[in-house]
Amino acid sequence: DARVTQTPRHKVTEMGQEVTMRCQPILGHNTVFWYRQTMMQGLELLAYFRNRAPLDDSGMPKDRFSAEMPDATLATLKIQPSEPRDSAVYFCASGAVGVTFQETQYFGPGTRLLVL
Amino acid sequence: GENVEQHPSTLSVQEGDSAVIKCTYSDSASNYFPWYKQELGKRPQLIIDIRSNVGEKKDQRIAVTLNKTAKHFSLHITETQPEDSAVYFCAAVYSGGGADGLTFGKGTHLIIQP
Repeated sequence: DARVTQTPRHKVTEMGQEVTMRCQPILGHNTVFWYRQTMMQGLELLAYFRNRAPLDDSGMPKDRFSAEMPDATLATLKIQPSEPRDSAVYFCASGAVGVTFQETQYFGPGTRLLVL
Repeated sequence: GENVEQHPSTLSVQEGDSAVIKCTYSDSASNYFPWYKQELGKRPQLIIDIRSNVGEKKDQRIAVTLNKTAKHFSLHITETQPEDSAVYFCAAVYSGGGADGLTFGKGTHLIIQP
């Protein structure tokens, strides 16, 4: 049963520190998404990549957030410097683009981030 | 961009009764509408989806209907069971045939009363 994996699962840090979250998409999936979930805003799309190239990062605060895909099996989301308002659950999801309709996205377990 | 409104925010029904959750979307170009179920502390999981060329889709006790003219879609759960208790999210996106960034509704907390 292929699944998206994320590390760390929980992270507590102090304001101003750098935070790096990692995601391993399902093998063969060529599209990777980063979503953020908070009580107030719900689930929001931050950025996504297709074939490792960024397609849309309009939902991401550019001054402190950055997302990359160093290779097809690893996506990273970095916050530097972190702020208390960044506290949220960050989900990675992966999906495919192919010759048939394949819109389904599969979510990872999330990284629960608390910035003090 | 797309905007998705979801109602109600909380829904409490008796076990065995039906539950209906409604969503509206703003972008007439959107053509893919998934529904996700999220249990406390867990990841969102796809339970059913519908494309714009279909008006209704059913999978056992779960069904989704889509009205493109009115730009709204609904989730119907029949014969509700305790394990249906969770938060349900609708979403919408224009998809060219593959996975694209979803715009989610704010979620509905479904409570099944024994």
